[in-house]
Amino acid sequence: DAGITQSPRYKITETGRQVTLMCHQTWSHSYMFWYRQDLGHGLRLIYYSAAADITDKGEVPDGYVVSRSKTENFPLTLESATRSQTSVYFCASGDRRQETQYFGPGTRLLVL
Amino acid sequence: GQQLNQSPQSMFIQEGEDVSMNCTSSSIFNTWLWYKQDPGEGPVLLIALYKAGELTSNGRLTAQFGITRKDSFLNISASIPSDVGIYFCAGRPKSFGNEKLTFGTGTRLTIIP
Repeated sequence: DAGITQSPRYKITETGRQVTLMCHQTWSHSYMFWYRQDLGHGLRLIYYSAAADITDKGEVPDGYVVSRSKTENFPLTLESATRSQTSVYFCASGDRRQETQYFGPGTRLLVL
Repeated sequence: GQQLNQSPQSMFIQEGEDVSMNCTSSSIFNTWLWYKQDPGEGPVLLIALYKAGELTSNGRLTAQFGITRKDSFLNISASIPSDVGIYFCAGRPKSFGNEKLTFGTGTRLTIIP
């Protein structure tokens, strides 16, 4: 029972490069979310998805792109990475009926 | 964006002590969740609360959904070393029709040897 996984766990990239962070869940949850966690800001929602092919912006969407062609996958792309996007990124999934969210282990991204 | 007021921000306690923390909001919430995050890991769900006044336990942890729907409390009894970490509250505002959660800023728990 893998639950929710993220890859890579660590990533170092350079300013201007495109980076894609992967998220995969095995629960068939309808909802999936991307958060970033920074000191002093807590968890901030970047994008979320209510179902395959349905996505919506969260609190801090600028500079990010998401897609959800399959229920189980929800990749997050930084189209042109900036230093301000250095952060820890968490993916989460949720079952609407249970009204809860379960988090992945996170991806630590450093943009040089 | 809105954040919940979580207090205290940090706690330094001795092993065996009881711990109390709380979360308050200016808005009414339908759901309250409590998470724990260990260093280098993602938040792990501890307790979920769905009704005002609800009191739910998970081992040594007990959480309550405030009667006003604007607050929640988490208590840890007889703390042990593995309780160290950051505890987050999260709530789903009544006004939202989706699953978006609002998170607290966290309470960092440290156990003094």
